Amino acid sequence: EDKVVQSPLSLVVHEGDTVTLNCSYEVTNFRSLLWYKQEKKAPTFLFMLTSSGIEKKSGRLSSILDKKELFSILNITATQTGDSAIYLCAVEGTGNQFYFGTGTSLTVIP
Amino acid sequence: DAGVIQSPRHEVTEMGQEVTLRCKPISGHDYLFWYRQTMMRGLELLIYFNNNVPIDDSGMPEDRFSAKMPNASFSTLKIQPSEPRDSAVYFCASSSVSTNEKLFFGSGTQLSVL
Repeated sequence: EDKVVQSPLSLVVHEGDTVTLNCSYEVTNFRSLLWYKQEKKAPTFLFMLTSSGIEKKSGRLSSILDKKELFSILNITATQTGDSAIYLCAVEGTGNQFYFGTGTSLTVIP
Repeated sequence: DAGVIQSPRHEVTEMGQEVTLRCKPISGHDYLFWYRQTMMRGLELLIYFNNNVPIDDSGMPEDRFSAKMPNASFSTLKIQPSEPRDSAVYFCASSSVSTNEKLFFGSGTQLSVL
């Protein structure tokens, strides 16, 4: 059965801390892995990863994929209160189907 | 493009009533997905379409749920009759294989069944 597992389920940090969010997967015919940030409503797209070892970076956020060990990490440096959100990992498999993890809830305290 | 558009944003109804959720995907996207999100289960895929044709509806919880996509720019998700356990946020999302544009979500419909 295809599945995506995220850890930790929740995280509370202070502003300025660095956090690492994990996503492991078992998905048939892997095509890509996506990270989303969900604040109040719709998940918003952060990164798409398809190749191992190539870091994607956007400001204080970065992500990398390991297709051999079947996981990805999302790093956020110098966290701010605006980073508080649920971070979702999704893996694209056969037939353009996307499998989501349950998400990591991040709370950044001032 | 205005992105994926869903309506209504909020729906409050009584048990037993019919509920219809609507979605307009991003123009040119050939895949459309309906998801349901709850605290307990997270994001669950209900059904998805490719070029207006349903591909996989194995996530539809039961016969009370149905979805249609009569054309490339419109889809509906219907629940009849609705039950309190259907209360959730329902998201529509679209993507394009040809342009490699991955999964963009609408704002969701917050459904409350009393």
